[in-house]
Amino acid sequence: AQTVTQSQPEMSVQEAETVTLSCTYDTSENNYYLFWYKQPPSRQMILVIRQEAYKQQNATENRFSVNFQKAAKSFSLKISDSQLGDTAMYFCAFMNMNRDDKIIFGKGTRLHILP
Amino acid sequence: DAMVIQNPRYQVTQFGKPVTLSCSQTLNHNVMYWYQQKSSQAPKLLFHYYDKDFNNEADTPDNFQSRRPNTSFCFLDIRSPGLGDAAMYLCATSGRDFLAGYTFGSGTRLTVV
Repeated sequence: AQTVTQSQPEMSVQEAETVTLSCTYDTSENNYYLFWYKQPPSRQMILVIRQEAYKQQNATENRFSVNFQKAAKSFSLKISDSQLGDTAMYFCAFMNMNRDDKIIFGKGTRLHILP
Repeated sequence: DAMVIQNPRYQVTQFGKPVTLSCSQTLNHNVMYWYQQKSSQAPKLLFHYYDKDFNNEADTPDNFQSRRPNTSFCFLDIRSPGLGDAAMYLCATSGRDFLAGYTFGSGTRLTVV
């Protein structure tokens, strides 16, 4: 069974700083998707960034980028020039491309951006 | 805007009293999911519908049931809520492009008293 591990329950950084959230996963599959979701306080979960496992190039979305290390089964999220609106719970997530369409989530990292 | 809507936002129910949570979508997505999210835990998939096909997770308690009368609506029924069922319940949808990820509703926070 696939598992997703986020080892940082909570983090705080100053506004404008860069922060990296860690995520590791375990799978025997070769084709899968990885996601980072953001859940702001009392608001719905939204997709931040996604990565297809067969692509070596790391995904980037504006200030958000990932460091995907397939051999190490690592998928970290880097937020550059952090903003107060980035304060949220961040979930790393995994989906098996071949078998089913279920997303498996990690426990999340609560990120506080301090003014 | 196309979206996923969950009602109510907050629900208080009595121990043992059946409760229904609802989810509707305007995205015309064929897959709908129900997740249970407890504090400091990963969202846990309870079940999902692929079109009309119901898929129950092996560890979902029998106390939890679901209905999908049409493409737009999906319901979560808790037959006899216990204190341990207090949680945020998230509804999500996805289309045939799984790389697009899920679209989530805002969730229903269930309190059992």
